[in-house]
Amino acid sequence: GENVEQHPSTLSVQEGDSAVIKCTYSDSASNYFPWYKQELGKRPQLIIDIRSNVGEKKDQRIAVTLNKTAKHFSLHITETQPEDSAVYFCAAEDYDGLTFGKGTHLIIQP
Amino acid sequence: EPEVTQTPSHQVTQMGQEVILRCVPISNHLYFYWYRQILGQKVEFLVSFYNNEISEKSEIFDDQFSVERPDGSNFTLKIRSTKLEDSAMYFCASSEALSGNTIYFGEGSWLTVV
Repeated sequence: GENVEQHPSTLSVQEGDSAVIKCTYSDSASNYFPWYKQELGKRPQLIIDIRSNVGEKKDQRIAVTLNKTAKHFSLHITETQPEDSAVYFCAAEDYDGLTFGKGTHLIIQP
Repeated sequence: EPEVTQTPSHQVTQMGQEVILRCVPISNHLYFYWYRQILGQKVEFLVSFYNNEISEKSEIFDDQFSVERPDGSNFTLKIRSTKLEDSAMYFCASSEALSGNTIYFGEGSWLTVV
């Protein structure tokens, strides 16, 4: 089955700076890679996703890049704001559904 | 915006008791899922369900677990003879299709086994 590794586990950045979270996956058949944001005690919410036929996707301050050859994908958040503080999970989809990374706790320092 | 809804939001149960967690997926979705998140850990896939049968299940989803769609709207997860290690947040989710479609999560049911 799929194995997703996510780094770092905790990331602290100054407000206004950029944050980058990286994930790798093992199953070359995976072709859908969503990113979820989870605030404390709440449901995971999709913030951006990318399919294997594209290498990059951007939505305002959030972007995701995918390198299928290397089997890694990254989340980029620019101009970070206090409300970006949360746990972010990457995921890869194979036949078993979504396999999640272990999460990155993003802390935005004022 | 349509949402996946779950009940109860929180349940405390004695070890060995049976628990049923309920979910109402988004109405036009065809694929339903249960995921589990132990406190402070990642979200883990349990089972997917389509056309009134299980599509896939993980190693976690053993004989203690079962799912059912008893009517046209509800989707349930039953845990028989609960163990302490079953304490977790259980998320129901649904999607329009299986591959490459957004999976929408419910708010979760927090299960505490004592």
